[in-house]
Amino acid sequence: AQSVTQPDIHITVSEGASLELRCNYSYGATPYLFWYVQSPGQGLQLLLKYFSGDTLVQGIKGFEAEFKRSQSSFNLRKPSVHWSDAAEYFCAVGGYNAGNMLTFGGGTRLMVKP
Amino acid sequence: DTAVSQTPKYLVTQMGNDKSIKCEQNLGHDTMYWYKQDSKKFLKIMFSYNNKELIINETVPNRFSPKSPDKAHLNLHINSLELGDSAVYFCASSLGSVGANVLTFGAGSRLTVL
Repeated sequence: AQSVTQPDIHITVSEGASLELRCNYSYGATPYLFWYVQSPGQGLQLLLKYFSGDTLVQGIKGFEAEFKRSQSSFNLRKPSVHWSDAAEYFCAVGGYNAGNMLTFGGGTRLMVKP
Repeated sequence: DTAVSQTPKYLVTQMGNDKSIKCEQNLGHDTMYWYKQDSKKFLKIMFSYNNKELIINETVPNRFSPKSPDKAHLNLHINSLELGDSAVYFCASSLGSVGANVLTFGAGSRLTVL
């Protein structure tokens, strides 16, 4: 069975500081990996995805993530956080045989200090 | 212009009632989904339909009955509502049901059962 772990429930960073949100997954084949962001009262917006190829993927809003197969990780990074980045971030895993059934992690709430 | 739209956005009802949530997508996608987000923000797949046919049913109680009149619509009907049904329900769609597809989510429908 596929699963996703986001070890950090809450993270607080200062505006302008760098950010790394951790994601570890379990999947029996080549995974498809996603990061979604959910602002308060909003739906989920795709930040970036990994299907194949280059293991460092770029997304919207200056985010990037690196797929590390040996560590079963897909951590999200941003070099300089803006106050508007405060939101809930979800990592998700799927795969070719999963019928596009995404399994989500529990989410990490990001708070940004001025 | 909304890609995936859900109605209603908020729904407050009494235990034992029957209610429906509607979802429509204008992206030309073949596959649609319902996800449930509980009070701890945990997201879990409920159903997936491809071209009006059920392809994923994740051990959801029989009180939940999805209906897809055409591939652009996937409605969720819930009978005999229980307190534990209180959650945010997200509709999503993707181009296909197999392979590397991105899910586009609606804004969510918050159901509160009193």
